[in-house]
Amino acid sequence: AQSVTQLDSQVPVFEEAPVELRCNYSSSVSVYLFWYVQYPNQGLQLLLKYLSGSTLVKGINGFEAEFNKSQTSFHLRKPSVHISDTAEYFCAVSYTGGFKTIFGAGTRLFVKA
Amino acid sequence: EAQVTQNPRYLITVTGKKLTVTCSQNMNHEYMSWYRQDPGLGLRQIYYSMNVEVTDKGDVPEGYKVSRKEKRNFPLILESPSPNQTSLYFCASRREGSYNEQFFGPGTRLTVL
Repeated sequence: AQSVTQLDSQVPVFEEAPVELRCNYSSSVSVYLFWYVQYPNQGLQLLLKYLSGSTLVKGINGFEAEFNKSQTSFHLRKPSVHISDTAEYFCAVSYTGGFKTIFGAGTRLFVKA
Repeated sequence: EAQVTQNPRYLITVTGKKLTVTCSQNMNHEYMSWYRQDPGLGLRQIYYSMNVEVTDKGDVPEGYKVSRKEKRNFPLILESPSPNQTSLYFCASRREGSYNEQFFGPGTRLTVL
């Protein structure tokens, strides 16, 4: 079965430190990969997506992610986080020609002063 | 403003009392979907619709119904709610094509007593 695994349920980090949120997926077919962010009491919004081409994808708010086909990973990174980055982050996968999007369980990022 | 709206935002009800959560989008999107979000489980798809009068089950459809009579609306119906349907519900829409991002509503927090 297709699945998405976010390896950390919670990540605490100090302000201005770098952060990496890890995501692995299971697939033997072509995939599209997404990271969404959910701020408290809000719906999800897109941070970035990988469709094809360059494996390094840049998104909003200084985030970037790297697609690694051999490792089936799509880790999210930011070189210096702000308090305002405190939120829950979801990795998601959809498949070429498919209708479903499969979401990971989410990673809560806590940025401390 | 392009958006997905849901009503109500908060609802407390009792077991067995039928309820409907409405969802509407103003972006002329073909695809709409309902998810439930539970702690540690991420988002799980309940039902989706590829276009008017075309719907299909997601991963957790038991206890839910949907309809798509108009392109903009995709209501979620709980005919006989039970406490295990207490959750945070999100409606989402996107253009045709699984490579397109989804746009999410603000969420409906449902409590079934």
